[in-house]
Amino acid sequence: DAEITQSPRHKITETGRQVTLACHQTWNHNNMFWYRQDLGHGLRLIHYSYGVQDTNKGEVSDGYSVSRSNTEDLPLTLESAASSQTSVYFCASRLGGDTDTQYFGPGTRLTVL
Amino acid sequence: DQQVKQNSPSLSVQEGRISILNCDYTNSMFDYFLWYKKYPAEGPTFLISISSIKDKNEDGRFTVFLNKSAKHLSLHIVPSQPGDSAVYFCAASAGNQFYFGTGTSLTVIP
Repeated sequence: DAEITQSPRHKITETGRQVTLACHQTWNHNNMFWYRQDLGHGLRLIHYSYGVQDTNKGEVSDGYSVSRSNTEDLPLTLESAASSQTSVYFCASRLGGDTDTQYFGPGTRLTVL
Repeated sequence: DQQVKQNSPSLSVQEGRISILNCDYTNSMFDYFLWYKKYPAEGPTFLISISSIKDKNEDGRFTVFLNKSAKHLSLHIVPSQPGDSAVYFCAASAGNQFYFGTGTSLTVIP
């Protein structure tokens, strides 16, 4: 069955380190998204991509970057991790079109010490 | 500024009764609305959606109502079951970007 996966599921890192979170989907969806979930804020969009070589900034993009070299993957990189980036990160994908919904991965819990 | 708001962080309902979860939005350009359900340690899963051209959409026990003039949508769950206990997020979109509310934690008491 087609699916969307994230790895690692849990990560502890130190302030200042570079961290990359992986997201892989097998639906052949054009659109992929990264969100962070924090108490009191719900899900906030970090970056998104409409296709290969396309990336766009979302609401809370500072300190994060993404790259889209193929349809299946959208890795999220924290260039220099900060304690404020401790959060749960969700990747999502969507085929495209006005009424297509997003399908979410299981999430990555990141702790920055 | 939060464009989609869920003002009730939590809701408790007896099994078999109706659960009503509410959501307000500010952007009149939103044309597609969704509800997601989230269990602990899992990603959100799609529940039900509604286009701005409709005011009601039903799927089994779940019904979403949209009041465009009030910029308000609600999710009704009838009858509520213990397995419905989860966090519910409403979301709105205009084009490819989705904006999420902060979530309402529903507890259905057996």
